[in-house]
Amino acid sequence: TQLLEQSPQFLSIQEGENLTVYCNSSSVFSSLQWYRQEPGEGPVLLVTVVTGGEVKKLKRLTFQFGDARKDSSLHITAAQPGDTGLYLCAGDYAGGTSYGKLTFGQGTILTVHP
Amino acid sequence: ETGVTQSPTHLIKTRGQQVTLRCSSQSGHNTVSWYQQALGQGPQFIFQYYREEENGRGNFPPRFSGLQFPNYSSELNVNALELDDSALYLCASGGAYEQYFGPGTRLTVT
Repeated sequence: TQLLEQSPQFLSIQEGENLTVYCNSSSVFSSLQWYRQEPGEGPVLLVTVVTGGEVKKLKRLTFQFGDARKDSSLHITAAQPGDTGLYLCAGDYAGGTSYGKLTFGQGTILTVHP
Repeated sequence: ETGVTQSPTHLIKTRGQQVTLRCSSQSGHNTVSWYQQALGQGPQFIFQYYREEENGRGNFPPRFSGLQFPNYSSELNVNALELDDSALYLCASGGAYEQYFGPGTRLTVT
């Protein structure tokens, strides 16, 4: 059974601060996806990283994939109240034609205060 | 808007009863996966269907079963409901590097 450790579990920061969320596993991912989830809704895909060492940017969000494809991070610059939500990382270990069986981290509840 | 819909939105059942949850995924997506998300936790993989056959299962007992139909709809059935089955149930479909989730069905077992 693959495990995905996500930290921190809670983050409460002021508007304008920077933050980083981490996602770690002892197994190699074929791909890793980051999601954001609002209360009462399903997770919404933010980005997928596939290649070791890959860096992707989405406005103020920067996603990194570790060289060994066992870890990933999400960095938010100058957080805004609209960034508040649950952030989830999800690893797809199988890949190939057996995709889509995701293992999720526990999630990080981010609260950005005005 | 992911194109994935689920029904019903909310459901209340009594322990021991059976429940059927429904999902309609995007046209062209051959796989549908179901997840259980307990309050305050990340989703847990229940099982996946590919071309109407079960294609992998997580650590869930056989009383969790499913069906997938040719029209890209699917069902999750849970028999002999237990209190711990109370959760948000999510379905997802997509390609190799992107899974699109529905809004979920909130199941409460009393």
